[in-house]
Amino acid sequence: DTEVTQTPKHLVMGMTNKKSLKCEQHMGHRAMYWYKQKAKKPPELMFVYSYEKLSINESVPSRFSPECPNSSLLNLHLHALQPEDSALYLCASSRTGGLAGEDTQYFGPGTRLTVL
Amino acid sequence: AQSVTQLDSHVSVSEGTPVLLRCNYSSSYSPSLFWYVQHPNKGLQLLLKYTSAATLVKGINGFEAEFKKSETSFHLTKPSAHMSDAAEYFCVVSSYSSASKIIFGSGTRLSIRP
Repeated sequence: DTEVTQTPKHLVMGMTNKKSLKCEQHMGHRAMYWYKQKAKKPPELMFVYSYEKLSINESVPSRFSPECPNSSLLNLHLHALQPEDSALYLCASSRTGGLAGEDTQYFGPGTRLTVL
Repeated sequence: AQSVTQLDSHVSVSEGTPVLLRCNYSSSYSPSLFWYVQHPNKGLQLLLKYTSAATLVKGINGFEAEFKKSETSFHLTKPSAHMSDAAEYFCVVSSYSSASKIIFGSGTRLSIRP
């Protein structure tokens, strides 16, 4: 099974709402990633969890709060977002988050977020 | 430092003709190189990857890429384009010096004319 699943597929929220995005993988991967992708642009890295610990935070605003409850699950909690945060949010996983640059990242289908 | 440059933002070919998507990279260390494809409103799918084994890498759906160290290139080719190949393609570089981070190229949109 080489699948990364993400829920929900689509999310519309107001600027005062609190919502969460969920990502799951059952490949035994120990690194998981959140990316943000605007239209016609490449994905931008937001967070990396390695062995369930946050290892990279790319200066993301605090209205985005990641959580890794276990090695298979990754959440992204959203609060007080702005319309410019509307984007496709992609989750990915790889076998290891250590010194293994050749590891393939497997991507989920993404959550299309619209902030009104 | 690493970087990756996709030389064409948009490539348009006729169905049945060859496809060439160009990618140049820069890396201080021995790089791993990847090509991903993204169909509209979908996630990214790995097409192929190079990790210092054979320089000619075969991927899925008839795509292949050749690693040329002297030219710092990793161009993606396919002998005969199919309508279903229309998508966005990303060239990606990573290396042992930046283990958890991969660098994306800006993407090339491939259009297929009937």
